[in-house]
Parts: sequence; C-alpha cells; structure tokens
Amino acid sequence: QAGLTQPPSVSKGLRQTATLTCTGNSNNVANQGAAWLQQHQGHPPKLLSYRNNNRPSGISERFSASRSGNTASLTITGLLPEDEADYYCSAWDSSLSTWVFGGGTKLTVL
Amino acid sequence: QEQLQESGPGLVKPSETLSLTCTVSGSSISNGYYWGWIRQPPGKGLEWIATIYYSGNTYPNPSLNSRLSISIDTSKNQFSLTLSSVTAADSALYYCARAPNWAGEDAFDIWGQGTMVTVSS
Repeated sequence: QAGLTQPPSVSKGLRQTATLTCTGNSNNVANQGAAWLQQHQGHPPKLLSYRNNNRPSGISERFSASRSGNTASLTITGLLPEDEADYYCSAWDSSLSTWVFGGGTKLTVL
Repeated sequence: QEQLQESGPGLVKPSETLSLTCTVSGSSISNGYYWGWIRQPPGKGLEWIATIYYSGNTYPNPSLNSRLSISIDTSKNQFSLTLSSVTAADSALYYCARAPNWAGEDAFDIWGQGTMVTVSS
C-alpha cells in the first residue's frame, strides 16, 4: 500500500543540524498532519513530535518539526552521538483509512 | 507511567493463526485512549495493523482485514490480535501501542517493547 516517502539515509557532523523530510499527499500529510518517531537499534519507536510540531513531555527542544504542503520536516539541531538512529514519519490517510508510515531515514552522526 | 507488554508464541507455522496479547499496566485500558498493533519486518519499516477502543469499536487495516481479528478484555486490561492464514511475509516484530485517537492528527505515543513472530514450518 502507498506510504510516505523519506530519504533512506542522511549523514551530518557532530553539533551540526540535520533536516529530515517526509513527503505524502493531500490525503495524509497535507491535511492530517504528521508525526515523527525515533528508533534506536533494538528498541521500540519513540514519539518525538505529533500534530506537526508538538513535542511530548521529555523530548528535547533540539527536535522541531514543521509542515509545508505535502511535506513534513524534522529538524535536529546540535547533533549528538545518541541522535544516530532511524527516524520514521507517520500520518493518518483519510483516503486509505489507514495509518501510513514512511520507509524511515537512517541518520548517521559523523 | 503507563506501560505496554506484548506476549505470544514466537513461532507460528505457515497457514496457521498468529495470536498475540498486549497487557496494559499503570492505568486502565478504559481510560479513553485507543490501542493499536503495528508490525515491523526485520530490517524494514512500520506497518499499522489495527486499532481498538475499550468499547469494542475496531479499526482494521483494510489490506489485512480479511485475516484479522482484534478484541479487548477490560477486566484483564488486555487487548489481543489474531491473524489467520499466516505466511512468511507475516514474520515481523509486533508492537502494541497507545494513541489518543483512532485517526487524525494524533499518533501512537506509547509503545511496547515488541515481540518477534517468525512464520516457519
């Protein structure tokens, strides 16, 4: 089934800023908003952001999300070694009546 | 702090039925949240399976609906998933998770640790 599109990998240096993107369509990201999840190897996903730019309690302000049209973005500032993980976006698709996920972006902190 | 824990057999034979249970601790399963199942094949991305509310309302993934059954037992603070006629493509890490709503702008905000299910003879 159709999902959201994310670049497979992004590499950035320590203390730099990384911006991850997630492209959907008018049935999901554009009108339903997007969420971002972080997953470290061997661990379950962890919610970083929902409703485009709301952070759950305990999530660092270094993580910020936004949306422009069909594309959602997650910006991580001041990259730390522990930010190295897989990042997934998700959204409700009102046409498919399903939650859809992106394929994930592997962030490498150099 | 609410916690979710999946349980079930790690190995299922092809064509048989996969059954998993998620136990919610730290709060009542009838607290107004929705409860879902999501799976992740090894090395791959996430796929939503279904969501259920304490009232029994279910929201299945249409692509899995013909093989899927989801139920909730409020007395045990548990909800369960059964998936019939499994194949190797159903081998995955199965997560249970909580969501404020069954659709819309919210997301799954608390996840269990996951349980690996392998379909093999």
